[in-house]
Amino acid sequence: DAKTTQPPSMDCAEGRAANLPCNHSTISGNEYVYWYRQIHSQGPQYIIHGLKNNETNEMASLIITEDRKSSTLILPHATLRDTAVYYCIVSRLNDYKLSFGAGTTVTVRA
Amino acid sequence: GAVVSQHPSRVICKSGTSVKIECRSLDFQATTMFWYRQFPKQSLMLMATSNEGSKATYEQGVEKDKFLINHASLTLSTLTVTSAHPEDSSFYICSARTEFSTDTQYFGPGTRLTVL
Repeated sequence: DAKTTQPPSMDCAEGRAANLPCNHSTISGNEYVYWYRQIHSQGPQYIIHGLKNNETNEMASLIITEDRKSSTLILPHATLRDTAVYYCIVSRLNDYKLSFGAGTTVTVRA
Repeated sequence: GAVVSQHPSRVICKSGTSVKIECRSLDFQATTMFWYRQFPKQSLMLMATSNEGSKATYEQGVEKDKFLINHASLTLSTLTVTSAHPEDSSFYICSARTEFSTDTQYFGPGTRLTVL
């Protein structure tokens, strides 16, 4: 699976949008971009995934560049409960295995 | 929907004993379950993949005789850490794929194992 690169940490203000970048320059045509998050001492939580089109659900939006070499997860109105480690993972749809990198530690401040 | 539970949430045991951790899919049938391990301040590492009714597939470097996985039904998988030692102390997390949505995994809350 292609590797991903994420900033190690970022802060954002409560109520503002949080934009989390992810680089995946070696992504192949059949690989999806997945985002999970892990709140301290809990299991990871699925957020969203996409192939090439932008996606939106009740939790977040996923913006994938046209060349698919990078993406951005957008939390539209960050709350204190969004403080977590966010993982960007690239994987084939039916590969099932998720390779977790170091992720981005997001701290939402009041 | 798609809730995964784990039991126990935390366990403390003496060195040399065996510990069993259960992973259940509460409202769906899980064709495949995964077991991960996470050491402090590190990311999740996949240990093994288990499919109902068949032997688990272990990742390189994971001792299959030490970490016994049983996936006897579509809603239950167990991980048994045999002859546990302090270096096995970790956060063990399971996940499951549903039979109707194969593109995401749903994770359990994790089990904190401490071996004295």
